[in-house]
Amino acid sequence: AQSVSQHNHHVILSEAASLELGCNYSYGGTVNLFWYVQYPGQHLQLLLKYFSGDPLVKGIKGFEAEFIKSKFSFNLRKPSVQWSDTAEYFCAVAIGGGGADGLTFGKGTHLIIQP
Amino acid sequence: KAGVTQTPRYLIKTRGQQVTLSCSPISGHRSVSWYQQTPGQGLQFLFEYFSETQRNKGNFPGRFSGRQFSNSRSEMNVSTLELGDSALYLCASSSSTAAKNIQYFGAGTRLSVL
Repeated sequence: AQSVSQHNHHVILSEAASLELGCNYSYGGTVNLFWYVQYPGQHLQLLLKYFSGDPLVKGIKGFEAEFIKSKFSFNLRKPSVQWSDTAEYFCAVAIGGGGADGLTFGKGTHLIIQP
Repeated sequence: KAGVTQTPRYLIKTRGQQVTLSCSPISGHRSVSWYQQTPGQGLQFLFEYFSETQRNKGNFPGRFSGRQFSNSRSEMNVSTLELGDSALYLCASSSSTAAKNIQYFGAGTRLSVL
């Protein structure tokens, strides 16, 4: 079974700092990759996704992620964070094609931005 | 367009009881997935239903079951509840298979087992 690893469970940054959240997965074949975000008191929502094509994908609110196949990674980045980025971030992976195993989520990274 | 609706929002049950949770997907969505979220294990995939058929199943015991109706609404049932079943249960819908599409999540049902 595939697994997803998010390296940092808690990250604290100051406003305007740069952000990079790590995500690695274990499956060696074709994958679909997602980052979801859960703002305080809100539902989980999609931040960005990668299915194929350009490995650098852009999402909402200035976030981007880069798929590096050789490293089995899909790290999330933002050049300058804001207080409103405080949230829990989840990386998720689905096996490409049929997605027979559903979506596998990482355990999440709790990001706190200090004003 | 209305979002994913889960009912009830909160439930308190005792060990040994059973519980049924409900999920109404976004109109037109045919796929419904269920997840269990706990502080220790994070988000874990339970199962996905598509056009009334269970398409995928996670690694959970048979006490966890579900079904989907012709209008795409889904129910999840947990029998013989255990303390460890206390969690937030999330439902997500997508237009087609969850692996290839954006999932839209509901607010969840928080189940407490005493």
